[in-house]
Amino acid sequence: KNQVEQSPQSLIILEGKNCTLQCNYTVSPFSNLRWYKQDTGRGPVSLTIMTFSENTKSNGRYTATLDADTKQSSLHITASQLSDSASYICVASPTGNQFYFGTGTSLTVIP
Amino acid sequence: GAVVSQHPSRVICKSGTSVKIECRSLDFQATTMFWYRQFPKQSLMLMATSNEGSKATYEQGVEKDKFLINHASLTLSTLTVTSAHPEDSSFYICSAFRQGATNEKLFFGSGTQLSVL
Repeated sequence: KNQVEQSPQSLIILEGKNCTLQCNYTVSPFSNLRWYKQDTGRGPVSLTIMTFSENTKSNGRYTATLDADTKQSSLHITASQLSDSASYICVASPTGNQFYFGTGTSLTVIP
Repeated sequence: GAVVSQHPSRVICKSGTSVKIECRSLDFQATTMFWYRQFPKQSLMLMATSNEGSKATYEQGVEKDKFLINHASLTLSTLTVTSAHPEDSSFYICSAFRQGATNEKLFFGSGTQLSVL
């Protein structure tokens, strides 16, 4: 069964600290994995997309890693800011236009 | 700038009326568009997959006669919530898939908050 699981479900960190969000997937065959940021009441915005052959990709303070062997991905946020407070969604895709969504991690950055 | 435009961003309607939500891909042709529903503090729930020129494919449990989807062109898909009831109140989001060998992307609209009174 194609599934995407994210952890933790929610996270609270102090401004300026780093954090890492986890994503485990069982999608097969596997083509690519995406991370999105969703602010409350808005649509998701793409952070990174990695194909099965890529191990890491950065977008500013966001760095995603991918281990296609263990079917795990992580999103590392460096020097967090208040504006990083949002829901982060992991999306795994097999070949074609199918997408499997994780349940998201709700991140709250406090001053 | 936004590559997928979704309108309206917020709508309040009376019970029993129908509401239409538009999703447009602004600078690319989207053969496939998706519609999602999201409840507070929950993940996106796929409602249906819309392919241009053909009938939408609905996920299990989603009433196709309740949620009418039209994808008449490569840049526009619409979701009509027919005879809306308070339980239909939710956040609806669309996405458009841009397929390409080196630039394959899934873009989301900004969402529509529907409140049925």
